Amino acid sequence: QITLRESGPALVKPTQTLTLTCSFSGFTLGSTGMCVSWIRQPPGKAPEWLARIDWDDDEYFTTSLKTRLTISKDTSKNQVVLTMTNMDPVDSATYYCARTIDTLRFHDFWGPGTPVIVSS
Amino acid sequence: DIQMTQSPSSLSASVGDRVTITCRASQSISRFLNWYQQKPGKGPKLLIYGASTLQSGVPSRFSGSGSGTDFSLTIRSLQPEDFATYYCQETHSALWTFGQGTKVDIK
Repeated sequence: QITLRESGPALVKPTQTLTLTCSFSGFTLGSTGMCVSWIRQPPGKAPEWLARIDWDDDEYFTTSLKTRLTISKDTSKNQVVLTMTNMDPVDSATYYCARTIDTLRFHDFWGPGTPVIVSS
Repeated sequence: DIQMTQSPSSLSASVGDRVTITCRASQSISRFLNWYQQKPGKGPKLLIYGASTLQSGVPSRFSGSGSGTDFSLTIRSLQPEDFATYYCQETHSALWTFGQGTKVDIK
């Protein structure tokens, strides 16, 4: 059974750095083709893909946020961490992590999401 | 950047109706197109990948078609559990952009 779960602060102040952790089970990020992506969704809006880390340590970021994002993995702990610097109220959203299959290019399992509000 | 435009943005339908949602890409994306269903308070659920391949466990009343720039998702006979918001997503570019969504509600 594959599960993912996001964790992190529900509230951050403007200019602070957001750190989110995705804890997963049921698959190994070290296996060929396995990846984990982060996607966010502001209230009432469409999802926005943010970043991805692959089994071979390749990293990908959405262009508009590339300078603010970092992604890392701990294969032994089955965790992926996303950090986003210089948070702004427009970054308020529900943040999801999802298992991603490299060759098939889809997100087949998603976490329940964690809401983040950016406010002073 | 590739823009993904879904239509309609919302529709009202009855149980048993045939429903079609379209998604247009601003440039050719071959068949790198996925469809997701999202219900309130939940993460998206993968329905179709590669434009027309049904994800395991998804009912056969869902189908997808298209290639290049024009794609569609069809629900053959709408069921009560299908009332939700549907998103397309291109995975041809480096940005994996989602469409703006189509909300399907009860007439």
